[in-house]
Amino acid sequence: DADVTQTPRNRITKTGKRIMLECSQTKGHDRMYWYRQDPGLGLQLIYYSFDVKDINKGEISDGYSVSRQAQAKFSLSLESAIPNQTALYFCATSDPGGGDTQYFGPGTRLTVL
Amino acid sequence: EDQVTQSPEALRLQEGESSSLNCSYTVSGLRGLFWYRQDPGKGPEFLFTLYSAGEEKEKERLKATLTKKESFLHITAPKPEDSATYLCAVQARSNDYKLSFGAGTTVTVRA
Repeated sequence: DADVTQTPRNRITKTGKRIMLECSQTKGHDRMYWYRQDPGLGLQLIYYSFDVKDINKGEISDGYSVSRQAQAKFSLSLESAIPNQTALYFCATSDPGGGDTQYFGPGTRLTVL
Repeated sequence: EDQVTQSPEALRLQEGESSSLNCSYTVSGLRGLFWYRQDPGKGPEFLFTLYSAGEEKEKERLKATLTKKESFLHITAPKPEDSATYLCAVQARSNDYKLSFGAGTTVTVRA
């Protein structure tokens, strides 16, 4: 079984809709991250969380919110989706005691029409 | 601001034709440089971390090296299964959580 899972894997929605992307991990890592990837650009950090009570904005947090429901679960919400939020979204986890290497989930392809 | 530039954007190789990918970076105090492999429709898969200039790491046909300004990923005698996008990222000592990624190099290996 995969260590980092994301649901859904694909989603098509309309402008103005609220969307939630979910991430679960079995690696036991405290740190979790949400990134977006656009063609020709590097991965950009949206939000990160060092533990359940510690959530921080990344480079491109406008239009997004997150919830850390448990050590193993980190959700990303688009409150009112817009077409330029069409992208690949990745969740990642890391263990600061283990070199802090980030391990990524399989991604969610989101299309906003 | 940390910056990572990867070149070339795309690389087409014949099976067995060795080549190198470049990752140039600027960072205020390097904590680590990371290489990932990404297959279409999948998440990045961790390959290597390099921490200091002169360090080298190998995995099968891949070898990563690091200088103070750039890193190279050498692919020796590539096979079609080495086709993927290779991503480079840097982490600064001042921000131990943040990875700054390059746009990647897409490698295609023809049989």
